[in-house]
Order: sequence, then C-alpha cells, then structure tokens
Amino acid sequence: KQEVTQIPAALSVPEGENLVLNCSFTDSAIYNLQWFRQDPGKGLTSLLLIQSSQREQTSGRLNASLDKSSGRSTLYIAASQPGDSATYLCAVRVGGDSGGSNYKLTFGKGTLLTVNP
Amino acid sequence: DAGVIQSPRHEVTEMGQEVTLRCKPISGHNSLFWYRQTMMRGLELLIYFNNNVPIDDSGMPEDRFSAKMPNASFSTLKIQPSEPRDSAVYFCASSLRAIVGEQFFGPGTRLTVL
Repeated sequence: KQEVTQIPAALSVPEGENLVLNCSFTDSAIYNLQWFRQDPGKGLTSLLLIQSSQREQTSGRLNASLDKSSGRSTLYIAASQPGDSATYLCAVRVGGDSGGSNYKLTFGKGTLLTVNP
Repeated sequence: DAGVIQSPRHEVTEMGQEVTLRCKPISGHNSLFWYRQTMMRGLELLIYFNNNVPIDDSGMPEDRFSAKMPNASFSTLKIQPSEPRDSAVYFCASSLRAIVGEQFFGPGTRLTVL
C-alpha cells in the first residue's frame, strides 16, 4: 500500500527566504506526482504535475523535483512571500501494473507553511 | 470556466438526518472524484466515476454513503442516516483524463453532524 509522508508538518519562515518542502513515498512505481496548495477553508489548487519520466517542473517561483528511485520529491519556493502561506500537499498516482487503479491519488497530510512579513 | 462547483459550502445537520452534497464538474471532463478530508486521516478517495459510471467505490465507508452521477454535469453524494463521525470536508474533483491528467478540486463542503 502506497504511503506518502510530508516533513515537516509545519514550517515558519521570514519573508524572502528560499525554502524546501519534502515529500516521500513508499512505492516507487508511480505514474506521476502532483503538488497542491490548500488555503484555509478552500479547495486544493494544483501547482505542479511531474510525470514519472521527468526530473523536475518549474512554474514561476516554484520548482518541483522528483527522484522516483528514492521515493522523494521536493517543492522549492524561491523568495517566499506572505501570500505563499498555505498548506502544501503532495499526491502520487500509482503506475505500472496496478490492476487498473492508476487513477488514484494518494495524498500526504501536508506541510503548513507560514511566511512572516 | 467556473471550475468545479460544489454546494452547499457548509452544512450543519443533526444525527440521523439525510445529507446530500452536490457537485458540478468542469465542462468536458469525463472523470469525477469524491474525497473526504479529516484531520486524522487526511484526504481519502471515496468514489471515482468515469463517463458517469462508478468505477471504484471501495473508499465509501459504509452503506450509509451513496453517490450518483446521472449525467456528465452533475453528481451527488448522499449520507443517510448521518452520524457525528461523518463530520469532515467533502471535496469533489474532476479530470479530463483520469490516469494522466491533473485533478481540479472544488471548494469543498464542510459538513458538521451534531
């Protein structure tokens, strides 16, 4: 059974700092990995999707990397801003010979990020 | 596009009552997912529809839970009878292609069962 772990559970940084959020998964046979942002009382916003054949994806100040063999992904946020404060979730989609269930996303519990002005 | 639409946004009900949550997926998406989020268990997939057909309902916790998708633009999740442990945020998500595509989430329905 795929398990996804995100460390740390919470992170507080001063504005302008570069930071890294970590995600690890137990089964390396994934199809892709998706990073989401969740604001309090709101739904999830997709940030980046990395296919299993890719090493990284970039969008603005965000860069997500994937090391499938070691079961790890990182989300790098450059020059953090107070508006980046939110919970960040990673989710993996099973791949390969998964009995046809590779539509399923398994989520971590998220990292609560606070960027202080 | 307005994105995934869910209603109501908040629902407070008493134990034993029937609760119906509604979802309108993004137009053109053929895959729809219902999730439940709690502090203890995080986000869990309840049921997945593809082309309006339920493909996987193994995450539905009990027979008290049921979901339907009568057409491509509407789905419901029903809890009957509701219990306090059903209190959670319920999300609906849709995707153009279930396997490779991104899932787009609605704002969620916060359910409180007293």
